[in-house]
Amino acid sequence: QQQVKQSPQSLIVQKGGISIINCAYENTAFDYFPWYQQFPGKGPALLIAIRPDVSEKKEGRFTISFNKSAKQFSLHIMDSQPGDSATYFCAARITGAGSYQLTFGKGTKLSVIP
Amino acid sequence: NAGVTQTPKFQVLKTGQSMTLQCAQDMNHNSMYWYRQDPGMGLRLIYYSASEGTTDKGEVPNGYNVSRLNKREFSLRLESAAPSQTSVYFCASSEGHRRGEKLFFGSGTQLSVL
Repeated sequence: QQQVKQSPQSLIVQKGGISIINCAYENTAFDYFPWYQQFPGKGPALLIAIRPDVSEKKEGRFTISFNKSAKQFSLHIMDSQPGDSATYFCAARITGAGSYQLTFGKGTKLSVIP
Repeated sequence: NAGVTQTPKFQVLKTGQSMTLQCAQDMNHNSMYWYRQDPGMGLRLIYYSASEGTTDKGEVPNGYNVSRLNKREFSLRLESAAPSQTSVYFCASSEGHRRGEKLFFGSGTQLSVL
């Protein structure tokens, strides 16, 4: 059972446009929602993360929007650049004693074309 | 600092062969993880080690064993490789179990089992 559903699988955006990637979760016990960015041939790297007590977090051109009632969160990349072309993974985690498992979405391959 | 180092980067095995994937981190992290990444499947946790001396199963542990050799090193062993284990394997580390902690990933090992 997939606990974090990510869409779309792939996304093509023109340079300067807005890229939007969506994720939905089922388990209301999740309380930490990171996004990881992965370039070809590299391991994923943490991009930005949010906790459910806030509805939005912004870091530069990257923004997470969080809707607790809908159990959804999304990544917005403003002014998308060719250098943003990568695979993006949303994830969720239940924190607490003995909990180490980060559940990842299946990933979105973003291509930003000049 | 090298961060998380994985060896080898590429490996081809025949069905039934065994091998060990090596991982070392130089960040003095307490927790280490092994993930596998398959196309369209995201990242799935195989095993993790919350601290030196402990290991636990993740989402997909069958066919694998792990050893936390010391605080720096965490190895993954395939005793009898199967084609279903063809994948990209990532080792990761984190400071320890704490809300919102960041995972640091290695560059991966691409394994093909024929």
